[in-house]
Amino acid sequence: GDSVTQMEGPVTLSEEAFLTINCTYTATGYPSLFWYVQYPGEGLQLLLKATKADDKGSNKGFEATYRKETTSFHLEKGSVQVSDSAVYFCALGNQGGKLIFGQGTELSVKP
Amino acid sequence: SAVISQKPSRDICQRGTSLTIQCQVDSQVTMMFWYRQQPGQSLTLIATANQGSEATYESGFVIDKFPISRPNLTFSTLTVSNMSPEDSSIYLCSVPGTGGKPQHFGDGTRLSIL
Repeated sequence: GDSVTQMEGPVTLSEEAFLTINCTYTATGYPSLFWYVQYPGEGLQLLLKATKADDKGSNKGFEATYRKETTSFHLEKGSVQVSDSAVYFCALGNQGGKLIFGQGTELSVKP
Repeated sequence: SAVISQKPSRDICQRGTSLTIQCQVDSQVTMMFWYRQQPGQSLTLIATANQGSEATYESGFVIDKFPISRPNLTFSTLTVSNMSPEDSSIYLCSVPGTGGKPQHFGDGTRLSIL
């Protein structure tokens, strides 16, 4: 069945460091791919999305490119801030409209 | 995006009791989804609730433990029955986005069972 595998956390970075959180997927068909973020004590928010191969989603300085050849959707940010500390979830949306989530990666950014 | 209100936002319950979580959406939607997020874990889909029909449960989840109601196109409830400490989780409802937009989530219900 469809699945998502994320880089394990927690990830601890200093402010202004470069961030990469790896995400790979297994799916039949052509899923949409998403990154969701969960800030401490808050609900789940969509960060960015890509709906077809080679699409790049971007938001708040974060980017991810839908790579069909490597079945990946890695999240990147050039310079992280303390306010980016959160748990990040990679997810795929399959044909039935369901979301399948990765295990989540906790990011902690230190000043 | 749809505005989703979940109640209660959090609760602490005794084992063996049941709790009903409400999810209200500000627009009519055909499907509503219920997820569970166990501590430190990812989100797992419990069931899909369609108005006018029985909910469709995912593998590992059963109606007796997680009965769902969907009385109209803007409202759904999830009951966590005969709770045990293993049911301590965040429970979230979500609705599909419109115009190809992705699912939108409520803030969740943080449930602790003593």
